[in-house]
Amino acid sequence: AQSVTQPDIHITVSEGASLELRCNYSYGATPYLFWYVQSPGQGLQLLLKYFSGDTLVQGIKGFEAEFKRSQSSFNLRKPSVHWSDAAEYFCAVGASYRGSTLGRLYFGRGTQLTVWP
Amino acid sequence: NAGVTQTPKFQVLKTGQSMTLQCAQDMNHEYMSWYRQDPGMGLRLIHYSVGAGITDQGEVPNGYNVSRSTTEDFPLRLLSAAPSQTSVYFCASSYAEGEETQYFGPGTRLLVL
Repeated sequence: AQSVTQPDIHITVSEGASLELRCNYSYGATPYLFWYVQSPGQGLQLLLKYFSGDTLVQGIKGFEAEFKRSQSSFNLRKPSVHWSDAAEYFCAVGASYRGSTLGRLYFGRGTQLTVWP
Repeated sequence: NAGVTQTPKFQVLKTGQSMTLQCAQDMNHEYMSWYRQDPGMGLRLIHYSVGAGITDQGEVPNGYNVSRSTTEDFPLRLLSAAPSQTSVYFCASSYAEGEETQYFGPGTRLLVL
């Protein structure tokens, strides 16, 4: 069965510092992987996704993530964090079928990011 | 395009009451899903649909019913609300084929007393 683990419940970084949010997944086939961000009281916004090809994917807002099959990981990174990045971040794996996610995503429990000025 | 819309934005129910959470999308997406979000639990899939007339259960389907009579609409029904169903509910949709992203609605906050 698919599952996603985000080991860090809460991370605090200073503005301008680099950021890495960890994500490990369990899935029997090639996974479709996603990172979403949620600001307080808001819905989810897609940051980036990995379906195939280059294992380093670029997303919006200066974020990137690297798919490492050998480690079953899809960690999210940003070289310099801005105060506006404070939010909750969710990693998700999609159950694939016919080249699509079949309308099903399995989410991690989220990592809350606090940014110190 | 309005994208994915959800109504109501907020609802308070008493235990045992029934209600329907509405979800609609105007992007002609085949796939639609309902998730619930609880603190420290992330989002968990309740039910999903791969097209009109076709639905299936997700991780936490108990206490919820769905139907998909049109491509645009995917309502979620609570037949007898329980306090354990207090949560934030998100609807999502995506195309059927290819590397398609799921688009999420703004959410419905439900409080069951």
